[in-house]
Amino acid sequence: DADVTQTPRNRITKTGKRIMLECSQTKGHDRMYWYRQDPGLGLRLIYYSFDVKDINKGEISDGYSVSRQAQAKFSLSLESAIPNQTALYFCATSDPAGGYSSYNEQFFGPGTRLTVL
Amino acid sequence: AQSVTQPDIHITVSEGASLELRCNYSYGATPYLFWYVQSPGQGLQLLLKYFSGDTLVQGIKGFEAEFKRSQSSFNLRKPSVHWSDAAEYFCAVGSGGSNYKLTFGKGTLLTVNP
Repeated sequence: DADVTQTPRNRITKTGKRIMLECSQTKGHDRMYWYRQDPGLGLRLIYYSFDVKDINKGEISDGYSVSRQAQAKFSLSLESAIPNQTALYFCATSDPAGGYSSYNEQFFGPGTRLTVL
Repeated sequence: AQSVTQPDIHITVSEGASLELRCNYSYGATPYLFWYVQSPGQGLQLLLKYFSGDTLVQGIKGFEAEFKRSQSSFNLRKPSVHWSDAAEYFCAVGSGGSNYKLTFGKGTLLTVNP
């Protein structure tokens, strides 16, 4: 089984709809991240969480919200989806407790392809 | 603020040829550097990483990268490319301290011709 899973893998929705993307991990990591990927722009950080009570905005958080339901679960919501939120969304985890050399290494899920019509 | 530049958006090489993907970073302290690969329809997989020590690091799938502080570079190399290496490659720099985040470059798409 994959260590970091994302559901759904693909989603098509309409402008104005609320949508939630879910991420679960079995790695036991405290830190979780949400990125979006757009062609030619690489990955950009939306939100990140260093533990269940610690949630932080990334560089492009407008229009998004998150919920850290448990150490293993981190959900991303689009309250009112718009077409320019069409993108590939990735969840990632990291584990600073893994030692100094592990501080920044992140482990990625397979991604959710979201299309907003 | 940290940043990463991958100057080449798209590179095409022939199978069996050597490969070098360029990465330049901007960071005020000793950087933590990574190369990730994204195969079509897949998530990102770590190829290799550099934190300290030997400036030539070996990774998976026969890749290596060399950290050159004087040039602020961390170029990825492979002596002989295989068709299965066709993918998008991302360089990333990590911040130190308590605020651990990665900043990614925009990626280089590698096409391998038979």
